[in-house]
Amino acid sequence: EAGVAQSPRYKIIEKRQSVAFWCNPISGHATLYWYQQILGQGPKLLIQFQNNGVVDDSQLPKDRFSAERLKGVDSTLKIQPAKLEDSAVYLCASSHPSGRYNEQFFGPGTRLTVL
Amino acid sequence: AQSVTQLDSQVPVFEEAPVELRCNYSSSVSVYLFWYVQYPNQGLQLLLKYLSGSTLVESINGFEAEFNKSQTSFHLRKPSVHISDTAEYFCAVSGYQKVTFGTGTKLQVIP
Repeated sequence: EAGVAQSPRYKIIEKRQSVAFWCNPISGHATLYWYQQILGQGPKLLIQFQNNGVVDDSQLPKDRFSAERLKGVDSTLKIQPAKLEDSAVYLCASSHPSGRYNEQFFGPGTRLTVL
Repeated sequence: AQSVTQLDSQVPVFEEAPVELRCNYSSSVSVYLFWYVQYPNQGLQLLLKYLSGSTLVESINGFEAEFNKSQTSFHLRKPSVHISDTAEYFCAVSGYQKVTFGTGTKLQVIP
């Protein structure tokens, strides 16, 4: 079974530029998560999708971040415009909902550096 | 609301020595508890989980964790560490459909 795929693995941009990250979850996983992991901190949930609907985006900075999950499979996270404090690893995870417990499977992450 | 506290940001330990990584949590609902491991430049991998039943849970590579409800703790232990255990370890708590991660503990195994 293929794992969660993310691309690119690394991205360097200048502040005020735009950037997009892509995630392909495990086949059949209806729930998809985007996390931001700043150096020295634990992952922070940015947005959670159930199929192509948003379940939780309370911590997504909506003035600059956007995410979509068309057709309930792949997802794209965009930052426009980027700020220095957006430098982080962006992790995508997916899970197959089964009651209260949802084990999450993580991709390798995209390391973003904003100069 | 729920939260996770990992008091130790770094834990250096000599190879073959025992180690304990501490995790405390708070939640207003009953929870599930997890430990994830993150190797350099990789995503998080589930190490072990407590869902219900026995309060002592074990992983396939020798780690164990004990759920202590009265102390709201879920400490991770290994009796003898190996160089390959060098990684960052995250404790996480799951309430209803929401997972909160701690800030992580870097385990540095010294040869």
